[in-house]
Amino acid sequence: AQKVTQAQTEISVVEKEDVTLDCVYETRDTTYYLFWYKQPPSGELVFLIRRNSFDEQNEISGRYSWNFQKSTSSFNFTITASQVVDSAVYFCALSEGWETDSWGKLQFGSGTQVVVTP
Amino acid sequence: DAGVTQSPTHLIKTRGQQVTLRCSPKSGHDTVSWYQQALGQGPQFIFQYYEEEERQRGNFPDRFSGHQFPNYSSELNVNALLLGDSALYLCASAVGGLDSGNTIYFGEGSWLTVV
Repeated sequence: AQKVTQAQTEISVVEKEDVTLDCVYETRDTTYYLFWYKQPPSGELVFLIRRNSFDEQNEISGRYSWNFQKSTSSFNFTITASQVVDSAVYFCALSEGWETDSWGKLQFGSGTQVVVTP
Repeated sequence: DAGVTQSPTHLIKTRGQQVTLRCSPKSGHDTVSWYQQALGQGPQFIFQYYEEEERQRGNFPDRFSGHQFPNYSSELNVNALLLGDSALYLCASAVGGLDSGNTIYFGEGSWLTVV
């Protein structure tokens, strides 16, 4: 069963518009970690943010912000005032458990392609 | 500070051949994981190495094997290549557990094409 769902396959916006990416996850663990990664055409997965299950505080970091809601199992990510360089595929990922042996197994969603045009 | 480095970046192999991909973790990192990413999909976990042992394994056949060396670098080996093995292979590294505030960093990947 898919544990991380990114229902949006592609989002197209014009520069300076805001973009919100949806992520819904499924887990029975009480301790887990959620991530957002950006993948430009070069292929490297670039770490953006991480959240643990005990911290529902929503934050803003520069143009990035996220909304973590355990009640709805959602971990949405927003890019404010988008730029052309934000064009990439964005992945939401889940890591269940917290000990050393378990961190390595990230379960990814299918990704959302963001296209920002000038 | 060098990040996660992988080699080769691109390679083409023939069905039935064997391939070895290499990964050097980020400085100070002792745990390495490998992922397979088919075109248009999210990465899929293959396995994780820590203290030179395979600690976790995803749903991949025994044709996929790995190794971790004392310097924490790692290799991914795939035997009897199939066309379906064509993908981007990503290496990830970290140190300690996620509860320590650490995160997981990825390399740029190795693009494997099987013809």
